[in-house]
Amino acid sequence: QKEVEQDPGPLSVPEGAIVSLNCTYSNSAFQYFMWYRQYSRKGPELLMYTYSSGNKEDGRFTAQVDKSSKYISLFIRDSQPSDSATYLCAMSGLTDSWGKLQFGAGTQVVVTP
Amino acid sequence: DAMVIQNPRYQVTQFGKPVTLSCSQTLNHNVMYWYQQKSSQAPKLLFHYYDKDFNNEADTPDNFQSRRPNTSFCFLDIRSPGLGDAAMYLCATSRVSGSRNTEAFFGQGTRLTVV
Repeated sequence: QKEVEQDPGPLSVPEGAIVSLNCTYSNSAFQYFMWYRQYSRKGPELLMYTYSSGNKEDGRFTAQVDKSSKYISLFIRDSQPSDSATYLCAMSGLTDSWGKLQFGAGTQVVVTP
Repeated sequence: DAMVIQNPRYQVTQFGKPVTLSCSQTLNHNVMYWYQQKSSQAPKLLFHYYDKDFNNEADTPDNFQSRRPNTSFCFLDIRSPGLGDAAMYLCATSRVSGSRNTEAFFGQGTRLTVV
């Protein structure tokens, strides 16, 4: 079993819809959770960073962390064709001395006009 | 302004010919990472530096080496590239202080082609 599970998609939604992405994990030591957006042939771009459980909102993006269920989510409101990309979740733990990131496989999102 | 800069963006090398990829950062982060990412896969950690301390992942081939001459720069050396080493190579940085870890920032990557 992988430490971080993420559905690879593709996830296709019409423009204006809410995109819902999620990851599950098995390591209870994870405390830092990140979502990255990666366009084809580009490096990952940090979208959201959260520590421990709770919600965080930034513009059209909302990140949720439920540590009791070992489940994290990213919601994108009012989706645009420019949101079409691969979304990667990543996480690391306090017990690591240097914060090694564990990535999900990434979910490909396609927003159709 | 770019905070993690990788050069070159695209690199073509011959089978077996040594190649060096570079990464620089303006964030003054104490941790620098090198990841390998193949098509439609998650980034795979090769190694990282925590300040000057080098840490190799157990499954990183000996063909891959790294140097970090100072806080700002880090290099990835591939001694004898094979066709299977063709991939996107990503550099990332973060700051770890005590038990606190910041988010990691990535460069734009270097796409390596082996011919």
